[in-house]
Amino acid sequence: QQQVKQSPQSLIVQKGGISIINCAYENTAFDYFPWYQQFPGKGPALLIAIRPDVSEKKEGRFTISFNKSAKQFSLHIMDSQPGDSATYFCAASKQPGGAQKLVFGQGTRLTINP
Amino acid sequence: DTEVTQTPKHLVMGMTNKKSLKCEQHMGHRAMYWYKQKAKKPPELMFVYSYEKLSINESVPSRFSPECPNSSLLNLHLHALQPEDSALYLCASSRHAGTSYGYTFGSGTRLTVV
Repeated sequence: QQQVKQSPQSLIVQKGGISIINCAYENTAFDYFPWYQQFPGKGPALLIAIRPDVSEKKEGRFTISFNKSAKQFSLHIMDSQPGDSATYFCAASKQPGGAQKLVFGQGTRLTINP
Repeated sequence: DTEVTQTPKHLVMGMTNKKSLKCEQHMGHRAMYWYKQKAKKPPELMFVYSYEKLSINESVPSRFSPECPNSSLLNLHLHALQPEDSALYLCASSRHAGTSYGYTFGSGTRLTVV
């Protein structure tokens, strides 16, 4: 119930294409869903996050789509660029009531070919 | 200041050594975290401090000893580590335990145990 399942494990996209990474969760108590971007040798950096009261959130080229009934959410990267090549982690956590614990997906290694 | 600063960036230590990892933030966050990340894996939570008090210990071996001297500093004391403890150790902070926003990671300390 604490797991977040992420797919695919790796993804290769041509420059200018759309990158799509999917995540699914079981615990309906989760109500905060961030995406992190991690470059080699660096810590994860928050990319974009969504609460389940909205179905979509867009920030620049990055969009989260959220399907509460299916317990799924996805990251779409439009016009993918070589600089987007990194590992992406979805995550989930519960709202206030206790110490926050982020549950991470297994990660997707994204490669954007020039 | 919107950063979490970790020192050292790299550390090599023998199995009989005692060393400490340091983490500092000046964002006024009252929750601080230690995560461990192995290669090609997501971060795994080790400890959570809320208002300078340990609130979560994810069954971490006693050779790892956390300390939170004040609201800006977090230490991880290491003693008698094993080679399998080699990993990237990440510190993170958030506004305060119980909220889901402002979760910021440092760049990590790359630890090698020989």
